[in-house]
Amino acid sequence: DVKVTQSSRYLVKRTGEKVFLECVQDMDHENMFWYRQDPGLGLRLIYFSYDVKMKEKGDIPEGYSVSREKKERFSLILESASTNQTSMYLCASSDRDFFGYTFGSGTRLTVV
Amino acid sequence: ELKVEQNPLFLSMQEGKNYTIYCNYSTTSDRLYWYRQDPGKSLESLFVLLSNGAVKQEGRLMASLDTKARLSTLHITAAVHDLSATYFCAVDILHRVKSGAGSYQLTFGKGTKLSVIP
Repeated sequence: DVKVTQSSRYLVKRTGEKVFLECVQDMDHENMFWYRQDPGLGLRLIYFSYDVKMKEKGDIPEGYSVSREKKERFSLILESASTNQTSMYLCASSDRDFFGYTFGSGTRLTVV
Repeated sequence: ELKVEQNPLFLSMQEGKNYTIYCNYSTTSDRLYWYRQDPGKSLESLFVLLSNGAVKQEGRLMASLDTKARLSTLHITAAVHDLSATYFCAVDILHRVKSGAGSYQLTFGKGTKLSVIP
């Protein structure tokens, strides 16, 4: 079964820490995405990548960066975590034609 | 800027009743998705609608797409408790990225929280 795997289900970090959220897909998909989900706001796109080492800003990139050194792995980086980054983070991937998206199980991040 | 509006945002309905969730979007698109999310879980793909007039059905759920009206509906027939979840519509829009290539971006509605009560 095809999968998008997020390395952590729950994370608790302190304000100011550098945080890495990891996402790995086994479908050989070209495109990978990071969303955050907040109650009442739905899912909002942070960054996406359409190829190795390529990245594009989504709707809310401020305070985040990403890294894609290998096709199967897409990392979301919070350079200096803040409490307003407490949220559920969802990773997704899709094929070259962007036909269909597969989502990971999510990482619930709490910044204290 | 693309806007995707779902209504209602909250829906409480009795078992056995029918209801429709609406998804309006503000710009041209020919790809629309419906997802289901259970509490604490990820998104489960329900339907992919790719053309005007597309209609898909799975069990008690039926989705349709009218690209001219920029409207999709998710119709629930004879609701059962197991359908309680949050339902999202999402619209795929083609963007041009730095390299000049085309890239789609998925924009979500805020979700409809459905509670089916006995």
